[in-house]
Amino acid sequence: EIVLTQSPGTLSLSPGERATLSCRASQSVSSSYLAWYQQKPGQAPRLLIYGASSRATGIPDRFSGSGSGTDFTLTISRLEPEDFAVYYCQQYGSSSWTFGQGTKVEIK
Amino acid sequence: EVQLVESGGGLVKPGRSLRLSCTASGFTFGDYAMSWFRQAPGKGLEWVGFIRSKAYGGTTEYAASVKGRFTISRDDSKSIAYLQMNSLKTEDTAVYYCTRVWVAVANHWGQGTLVTVSS
Repeated sequence: EIVLTQSPGTLSLSPGERATLSCRASQSVSSSYLAWYQQKPGQAPRLLIYGASSRATGIPDRFSGSGSGTDFTLTISRLEPEDFAVYYCQQYGSSSWTFGQGTKVEIK
Repeated sequence: EVQLVESGGGLVKPGRSLRLSCTASGFTFGDYAMSWFRQAPGKGLEWVGFIRSKAYGGTTEYAASVKGRFTISRDDSKSIAYLQMNSLKTEDTAVYYCTRVWVAVANHWGQGTLVTVSS
């Protein structure tokens, strides 16, 4: 099973700042099968990025994904108040899915 | 508009069974794989299992933590996916989410239903 490790665990930033979230895999992941989700308290997760770098429908262009192999990054160029949430990376491989443990982006 | 509505959650004793339903609307249900995820209180997301569309055999895959205890099925005529949970354990306590699968991602989620396993 591929293990995804996200860092940092918590990111304390101010609105307008840039957020860089990391997701590292224990073995190589197909870029086609790496995704990022956002989850706010009391809500279901929402798909942000699929295929490592493609934005899902309706996702603002301040969100971008990059990376390949074992290292992937989610970048939020300028944080808006509604972006403070928990972010999860997810991979699909060998007919199973795994998630990272999440990065919480909190207001500084 | 794609909508997924889970139902069937509640309080159940360890060792008992529960069946969750996911009623879909706003898309051609039979064309898509459907997946279930869960989230224990205060914890991260965990994949439970998924069922392929009939075009891909309607076969299922499960996480190791639930394999042999949980079964996913689908009724395309009713646009419903099911999660049958047997031999429930306290560690199965979680909010269970139904999702529509598209290119190996969950691009639409239900609101979730809480399952509490406790004596």
